[in-house]
Amino acid sequence: QVQLQESGPGLVKPSETLSLSCTVSGGSVSSENDYWSWIRQPPGKGLEWIGYIYYSGSTHYNPSLKSRVTISVDTSKNQFSLKLSSVTAADTAVYYCARETIISGGVTRGFDYWGQGTLVTVSS
Amino acid sequence: QSALTQPASVSGSPGQSITISCTGTSNNVGNYNLVSWYQQHPGKAPKLIIYEVIKRPSGVSNRFSGSKSGNTASLTISGLQAEDEADYHCCSHVGNSIFRLFGGGTKLTVL
Repeated sequence: QVQLQESGPGLVKPSETLSLSCTVSGGSVSSENDYWSWIRQPPGKGLEWIGYIYYSGSTHYNPSLKSRVTISVDTSKNQFSLKLSSVTAADTAVYYCARETIISGGVTRGFDYWGQGTLVTVSS
Repeated sequence: QSALTQPASVSGSPGQSITISCTGTSNNVGNYNLVSWYQQHPGKAPKLIIYEVIKRPSGVSNRFSGSKSGNTASLTISGLQAEDEADYHCCSHVGNSIFRLFGGGTKLTVL
């Protein structure tokens, strides 16, 4: 059974960098068959895809966040991480990490495993 | 890109069927059979219930079904049960299947 667990500070000051990690168990961030994603949900609102990383280190980001986002992977810890710079109150959200299984080519099976989510509040 | 369009809320009585729409454009929903749906109970992480428009993961009730016509995907829940009361989110591939785009979410109330 694949499990994902987010970790990181729950409070970040405006203009600083938000940093979160996602530890994977029961699966491997080195798998050729999976994308590892970050998704967020502002309080009372819908989901927003932030981006994903592939085992090769290849990344793709939401164009609206691309200038501020970095996703990286640490295969030795079986973790992947999110950094979001220059945060504002609008970045306050529950942040989820999730796995997306690749079926073939660009075809995926959706986000089939999720972490429990972690609330990050941006406030001074 | 703007979020996919979902109704803010829908409701139905136990035993009835409801349908939630997810409208996009020819650049996302209309161009890919890669729409997925997620059920989210309050305070919980989303759960995958439909992928590739019509497919159900193992363990998901066959009361949940998906379809698509043109730029609109739909989720139908038949035989409504109290436990179905939740938020539902759609998601589509975009841009050569590189990006992902969610809808705004729909709150289902079981009367």
